[in-house]
Amino acid sequence: DTGVSQDPRHKITKRGQNVTFRCDPISEHNRLYWYRQTLGQGPEFLTYFQNEAQLEKSRLLSDRFSAERPKGSFSTLEIQRTEQGDSAMYLCASSPKGLFSYEQYFGPGTRLTVT
Amino acid sequence: GENVEQHPSTLSVQEGDSAVIKCTYSDSASNYFPWYKQELGKRPQLIIDIRSNVGEKKDQRIAVTLNKTAKHFSLHITETQPEDSAVYFCAASGNSNYQLIWGAGTKLIIKP
Repeated sequence: DTGVSQDPRHKITKRGQNVTFRCDPISEHNRLYWYRQTLGQGPEFLTYFQNEAQLEKSRLLSDRFSAERPKGSFSTLEIQRTEQGDSAMYLCASSPKGLFSYEQYFGPGTRLTVT
Repeated sequence: GENVEQHPSTLSVQEGDSAVIKCTYSDSASNYFPWYKQELGKRPQLIIDIRSNVGEKKDQRIAVTLNKTAKHFSLHITETQPEDSAVYFCAASGNSNYQLIWGAGTKLIIKP
């Protein structure tokens, strides 16, 4: 399967614990995005990478959230000291190289439940 | 910054009829307008997109139209089928960080 993959697909954690999610973009896609989605809402932008550089981070994003893409391939999203309000679907998307390549392809998401 | 409004929030149509979902955007610099379909518990799936140098694009039963002057674009689904039931999102982009600005979504219900 050459699509965007995410791991794990589901994560249940207790409040206060740290969690880390992984995203593997489509091969040779150089742009990678993280979104959060709650039931009945559209995707909420979290952060964006072009290659290994993190170019934008949502102003709404707490300091407890951090993302990396060390080699410009896969990316990780870490949430420290999780809160119940962090429960959501975390989606990753990637875009092809190219000045006019805006299309984003999504992975299956990681569903986080904080108890 | 860019703002995208989408309506209606819910649309119920008889199977076989057409469905139209409309979006407006605020930033005249936006030049890329995708539509995503999301079934319950699944990922958003890109179903069609249009760029600002084109007024209409079709792909089988779905089509998108763009009116740059009025800053609105629409999704048209003809001969609707039960599998068209989903939430549809419009979005706009064109800024330097390639970020998509999303509409709030339309829940499409196809009645048998």
